[in-house]
Amino acid sequence: QAQLVESGGGLVKPGGSLRLSCTASGGPTFSDFYMTWIRQAPGKGLEWVSYISGTGSDIYYADSVKGRFTISRDNGKNSLYLQMNSLRVEDTAVYYCARDWRSSWYNWLHPWGQGTLVTVSS
Amino acid sequence: SSELTQDPAVSVALGQTVRITCQGDSLRRYYASWYQQKPGQAPVLVMYGKDNNRPSGIPDRFSGSSSGNTASLTITGAQAEDEADYYCHSRSTSGNHLFGGGTKLTVL
Repeated sequence: QAQLVESGGGLVKPGGSLRLSCTASGGPTFSDFYMTWIRQAPGKGLEWVSYISGTGSDIYYADSVKGRFTISRDNGKNSLYLQMNSLRVEDTAVYYCARDWRSSWYNWLHPWGQGTLVTVSS
Repeated sequence: SSELTQDPAVSVALGQTVRITCQGDSLRRYYASWYQQKPGQAPVLVMYGKDNNRPSGIPDRFSGSSSGNTASLTITGAQAEDEADYYCHSRSTSGNHLFGGGTKLTVL
């Protein structure tokens, strides 16, 4: 059974930076799959943040983070990253990583990590 | 439109059937997936694709369907443990992912 574990969350001041990590263990070959970051502000719904292909050649960002966040991966370490710069109060959320499965007509996210909390506050 | 719309809250009597819906233009092209989230926990995939695909461990009382711009998640014989927030998700025609705003299901 595949497992994803996020780390790197914490308290940061507005304008600061943070790097999240997501490490995969078990399950299919890490490099064969897209990976996705999703976040959830306190008491709010899910918001998709970014995805990256298995090779890293296909990357997409939500407009809300474009130009500030950078997604990357190290397949040798079975790890996914999210570098977050110029953080804003509204980036405060639990950040989840998930394996992004794809067919021609649908995606599904499975499994999800347990999440890591990022708090942006002065 | 690049949004998925869900009813904020739905309730169902114990043992009865409930349908949770999700509307959006992207659903005319892409099938939805559905996630269950209980308080303090990460979301869990419960349904995906066009053929009622359920991950292992998800009870068969969960089923999915799609018509036009609407995707539905149906729980037949709702149980107390089904009380949770449910989110739909799909790809958009512009390449990004979309989530619905979530539906809070209460089992009475």
